[in-house]
Amino acid sequence: DAGVIQSPRHEVTEMGQEVTLRCKPISGHDYLFWYRQTMMRGLELLIYFNNNVPIDDSGMPEDRFSAKMPNASFSTLKIQPSEPRDSAVYFCASSPRTVNNEQFFGPGTRLTVL
Amino acid sequence: GQQVMQIPQYQHVQEGEDFTTYCNSSTTLSNIQWYKQRPGGHPVFLIQLVKSGEVKKQKRLTFQFGEAKKNSSLHITATQTTDVGTYFCAVFASGGSYIPTFGRGTSLIVHP
Repeated sequence: DAGVIQSPRHEVTEMGQEVTLRCKPISGHDYLFWYRQTMMRGLELLIYFNNNVPIDDSGMPEDRFSAKMPNASFSTLKIQPSEPRDSAVYFCASSPRTVNNEQFFGPGTRLTVL
Repeated sequence: GQQVMQIPQYQHVQEGEDFTTYCNSSTTLSNIQWYKQRPGGHPVFLIQLVKSGEVKKQKRLTFQFGEAKKNSSLHITATQTTDVGTYFCAVFASGGSYIPTFGRGTSLIVHP
């Protein structure tokens, strides 16, 4: 298996633009997580899905952030409009069977908002 | 909410020295996981601890879960330059949410 796939790996955009991050989890994994990592706040859980259904989005910082999982093999995290303080590395992770199984992280998307 | 503290934040060691990082929770845990993130990389799962007082070893790494299931430690014997990275604990509260809470991590720098 190729592992969790994320795209793009790097994204540079200007304030106000829409940003869409993509994730393909490991096949057969029931759980998908979106994280944001910054020096200031560490690794923060934004939202997670179970069988494509959003379970907890309490970590989503604002209404500017939204996440979808239209099918078992694809998820998106969208920021609209983007702001400089959204600059961070965004990780997607997937996990089999139960939510406290080990998580397999993707390589991340480094987002820079100018 | 769940509070988890990792200490120290940074640790510089000479190659060959030992290293320990600690993870402390404000509440009793059901289980705890440890991850390693190399510079520029992504977190990679190392191990999971479930039982009170559990000790697990992976080569030079020793993981321990406290008797009260509120703290854990990761000890590396005779560090090597390949051990460089940030070590995170991820805790799962007992009897509550199954959402993992990650510690801020301990960054290990190994000087050759």
